Amino acid sequence: NAGVMQNPRHLVRRRGQEARLRCSPMKGHSHVYWYRQLPEEGLKFMVYLQKENIIDESGMPKERFSAEFPKEGPSILRIQQVVRGDSAAYFCASSPFTSSYNEQFFGPGTRLTVL
Amino acid sequence: KNQVEQSPQSLIILEGKNCTLQCNYTVSPFSNLRWYKQDTGRGPVSLTIMTFSENTKSNGRYTATLDADTKQSSLHITASQLSDSASYICVVSERRDSSYKLIFGSGTRLLVRP
Repeated sequence: NAGVMQNPRHLVRRRGQEARLRCSPMKGHSHVYWYRQLPEEGLKFMVYLQKENIIDESGMPKERFSAEFPKEGPSILRIQQVVRGDSAAYFCASSPFTSSYNEQFFGPGTRLTVL
Repeated sequence: KNQVEQSPQSLIILEGKNCTLQCNYTVSPFSNLRWYKQDTGRGPVSLTIMTFSENTKSNGRYTATLDADTKQSSLHITASQLSDSASYICVVSERRDSSYKLIFGSGTRLLVRP
C-alpha cells in the first residue's frame, strides 16, 4: 500500500520558466491538500482539492499558481513564470475524507529551486 | 491571528536522555492538536492527535500533553534514540468548516548525539 507519492523530488528552474509538481494520493483517498514550506518556516496551507473540484484555494497566491486534481491521474500544482521567492519545499497530503479529526498523510515533498 | 509557536527552536541532547518540547497556540475555536515528526528531506509523519477534551496521549516513547485552558501543549520524548533526530512540529486545526486547513508551527529541531 504505497503512501502519498510526489515527483519530482527535486526540481530546478530558471526565472520565468514553468514548474509542474505532481502528487499521487494514497489509494482510496479522494482529498488532496498542498502546502508550501519556505526555509526555516512552518508549512503553510495552499489549496484543498477533491476530484475535479477546487474546494479551497485561499492559501494560493492570486497570480501564477494553479492546481488541479483531474478525474484520472495525479494532482498537479503549476507555477508559471517562477521567481526566486518560489524556491521552497512543496508538500502534498491526502485523506480519505475530510473532518476536523481526519489524518492527512504527507508525501516526501518536491524541493523547488529557482535560479 | 491564529498562530502556533514552538520552543525551543533547536535542542541537542545525549542518547538515552529525556526531553520536552513546548507548543503555545492562539487558534480559536480549537478543534484538535497534533504533533508531527519530520525527518530531513521527508514529509511530516503524525505522532499524536488530541481533541480539546484530551489531556494526554502516548505513542511509544512519545507522550503529548494538552492544556486547552492555557492553550499549551508539550511533547515528551523518553529514553531518546539517535533516530529521534528530526524536526517536531506542533499543528493545530480550527473548529470550523475549514478544519482541514492545518496551522503549523515552525518546529523544534532535535539532535540526539551518541
